[in-house]
Amino acid sequence: DIQMTQSPSSLSASVGDRVTITCRASQSISNYVTWYQQKPGKAPKLLIYATSSLQSGVPSRFSGSGSGIDFTLTISSLQPEDFATYYCQQSYSSPPTFGGGTKVEIK
Amino acid sequence: QLQLQESGPGLVKPSETLSLTCTVSGGSISGSSYYWGWIRQPPGKGLEWIGSIYESGSTYYNPSLKSRVTMSVDTSKNQFSLKLISVTAADTAVYYCAKHPLRGGFGIWGQGTMVTVSS
Repeated sequence: DIQMTQSPSSLSASVGDRVTITCRASQSISNYVTWYQQKPGKAPKLLIYATSSLQSGVPSRFSGSGSGIDFTLTISSLQPEDFATYYCQQSYSSPPTFGGGTKVEIK
Repeated sequence: QLQLQESGPGLVKPSETLSLTCTVSGGSISGSSYYWGWIRQPPGKGLEWIGSIYESGSTYYNPSLKSRVTMSVDTSKNQFSLKLISVTAADTAVYYCAKHPLRGGFGIWGQGTMVTVSS
């Protein structure tokens, strides 16, 4: 299985901050990375697919980049509704696997 | 607007079989050219893919669960199902159903259903 290592596991930030979350794959996965946002008690919501494509309806402050083994989710200006847990996922090979999550908390 | 809804018992006894159904509304499983999957999340933990099924009935499962998992699809009812045998407390989790392309992210999710394994 391809392991997805996310960092940090948690972070504290203020409204308006630029936030970066990274995900490293255990082998090259081309651009087959998806990012999700999950709020407590809710299902994950797809934010970014194919590394950098913004899902319809997702604010443009979210962006993704990377290739090969290193990938990044960036929130350009953190908003109150962005406090949540974020997961990366690879779909390069089966089984699809998720990172361990990054909890974004209010500073 | 496509919606998915999980249903099934919230409590299963150890060694018994967990059975869940996902009902798709606002769209059809047939002709969608998408896969329909199950993902679970133990309390306070991360996400684990269980398996996926195509409208034809073709399946692929997580090797870590493959010996215990069976998935099926009923296109006439617009539903797909999960069976997990010989459950233990480690199978306690929120179970989600979701729609996805073959090599892509899970774009549409159900709200999830909590299943507890306990005697």
